[in-house]
Amino acid sequence: GIQVEQSPPDLILQEGANSTLRCNFSDSVNNLQWFHQNPWGQLINLFYIPSGTKQNGRLSATTVATERYSLLYISSSQTTDSGVYFCAVGNFGNEKLTFGTGTRLTIIP
Amino acid sequence: EAGVVQSPRYKIIEKKQPVAFWCNPISGHNTLYWYRQNLGQGPELLIRYENEEAVDDSQLPKDRFSAERLKGVDSTLKIQPAELGDSAVYLCASSRSPESYEQYFGPGTRLTVT
Repeated sequence: GIQVEQSPPDLILQEGANSTLRCNFSDSVNNLQWFHQNPWGQLINLFYIPSGTKQNGRLSATTVATERYSLLYISSSQTTDSGVYFCAVGNFGNEKLTFGTGTRLTIIP
Repeated sequence: EAGVVQSPRYKIIEKKQPVAFWCNPISGHNTLYWYRQNLGQGPELLIRYENEEAVDDSQLPKDRFSAERLKGVDSTLKIQPAELGDSAVYLCASSRSPESYEQYFGPGTRLTVT
């Protein structure tokens, strides 16, 4: 099956800093989603981005499908950004999402 | 629009007991997924429904797990009997495929088996 790797596994930043999270995947995809799992365990949809670039406030994401990677950018971090960020992909003919192991982000006030 | 609803949110049972989880997907979403998330890992698919039909149950441990989706809306996931290793968060998700493959997740049920 498709493999998904996320880096870095852990990231500790001061409030106001910027960060870049990376997701590498091993096969062509027709679905790529970024999620934020908050401390209560809820998976919150950030982006549905199988290709291209999207922005939503302080967050933006870019997927380069031909090179099999996606990046999530967080600018001007806030303490509420803390949590685990997951990249998940699905490929053609298989609608299940395969998740990476996540990046745990901690924002210090 | 209401999100995916799951109940209960928490469940503690003794091993060998049965347990059931319920999911109500987003209105109009024909595809429903059950995932299991172990501590420190990403969710993994257990079963996927398109309307009433289970189209991918290859990861469902069929000796003790069962699922149903009557009338193509709500779904129930059951474990009988539960084992210690079943302790995890059980997540339900839905999508409006094939129009969109984007999946939306419910809050999950945290199961503890003692």
